[in-house]
Amino acid sequence: GAGVSQSPSNKVTEKGKDVELRCDPISGHTALYWYRQSLGQGLEFLIYFQGNSAPDKSGLPSDRFSAERTGGSVSTLTIQRTQQEDSAVYLCASSLDRGGNTIYFGEGSWLTVV
Amino acid sequence: QQQVKQSPQSLIVQKGGISIINCAYENTAFDYFPWYQQFPGKGPALLIAIRPDVSEKKEGRFTISFNKSAKQFSLHIMDSQPGDSATYFCAASIGNNDMRFGAGTRLTVKP
Repeated sequence: GAGVSQSPSNKVTEKGKDVELRCDPISGHTALYWYRQSLGQGLEFLIYFQGNSAPDKSGLPSDRFSAERTGGSVSTLTIQRTQQEDSAVYLCASSLDRGGNTIYFGEGSWLTVV
Repeated sequence: QQQVKQSPQSLIVQKGGISIINCAYENTAFDYFPWYQQFPGKGPALLIAIRPDVSEKKEGRFTISFNKSAKQFSLHIMDSQPGDSATYFCAASIGNNDMRFGAGTRLTVKP
């Protein structure tokens, strides 16, 4: 597609439920990132995928968070047993590869846990 | 830990004025320093970026100043316009790996 596509754009879920957020990166981009942005806050790094390499999961805040990337393209971020503090915008981004290429962001998935 | 510290949190500038946002980093291995601009409801978009082999980069009204010895870099917006009102993020990375962002600066340019 023309840009990074994320779905759903908005999600309201009850505390304790699991949610899945999807990211479709720009075609041909081998690097994919997930960030979290809480209201009025900066961008918190969550996880980074690069080609077939093992992902950098160092930013995942707890074991309730996991992500996978199938076939080197689409990625799914899963949050299990959601908590109210998980409410945030989850931003996906992709880039061509390492080495200073521009990172392109999607418009985010707004998650609200009630 | 926060690897990139950004200030101020918010900034109000009159139309035509200069907006200045500052960032400091800790990891001397960082070699790529972009600035991103984010409008409400949108994802951040790359505005301008610099590598540490130069001290300044200018694109139109936007300039990055880089001080390697002080581990600081800043964004200057000349002739600020109301349309520049947005949140600005500085970032730093090694190549394009694991980019770390500052906390953001909400800029308001008053007409």
